[in-house]
Amino acid sequence: EVELLESGGGLVQPGGSLRLSCAASGFTFDNYAMSWVRQAPGKGLEWVSSISGSGGSFFYGDSMRGRSTISRDNSKNILYLDMKSLRADDTALYYCAKVSVAAYNGYFDFWGQGTLVTVSS
Amino acid sequence: DIQMTQSPSSLSASVGDRVTITCQASHDVSKYVNWYQQKPGRAPKLLIYDASNLGPGVPSRFSGSRSGTDFSLTISSLQPEDTATYYCQQYDDLPLTFGGGTKLQIK
Repeated sequence: EVELLESGGGLVQPGGSLRLSCAASGFTFDNYAMSWVRQAPGKGLEWVSSISGSGGSFFYGDSMRGRSTISRDNSKNILYLDMKSLRADDTALYYCAKVSVAAYNGYFDFWGQGTLVTVSS
Repeated sequence: DIQMTQSPSSLSASVGDRVTITCQASHDVSKYVNWYQQKPGRAPKLLIYDASNLGPGVPSRFSGSRSGTDFSLTISSLQPEDTATYYCQQYDDLPLTFGGGTKLQIK
């Protein structure tokens, strides 16, 4: 059974940094791309970033490009998102999602329950 | 960026009704559109992938179709548990983009 468990969210001041983690199990981790998708309170879904199964290719949406770094540790089956220069509009529930293929261009077939990031002074 | 224009933004229907939600892509995205269901307080769940393929474990009352850059999600006979927000998403090109969502309520 596929399981994705996010952690690392919390309250951070504007301009601060945070590292999100997603522990994956139930599938061959390095065979699949992984993504981060966020949802601001009461709003829709927004793609943040994706990384290929090997970790050699990564892609970012406009909202966090230059302020975030996606990475993965295939020996530990963990996905990361390092975020810096956080702003109030980064406040959201951040979901980890498994992609159906090794590259970015597939569908999100499994989702974690999300980790909440709140940016506020 | 490819815009996914979803309509309606909200919808109320009765149990047993046939319900259709549409999504129009601003550019050709071939068949690369997926649909997700998000129930209140829950993570999204895959319903339809590649425009018309049913996701694993998804009831057969859900179906998807494509006509050019127009995509539809249809529920053939609405059930109480279908109360949720539905999102379309394209993956033909980066950035990956979602529609604005359709909130479906049962009358």
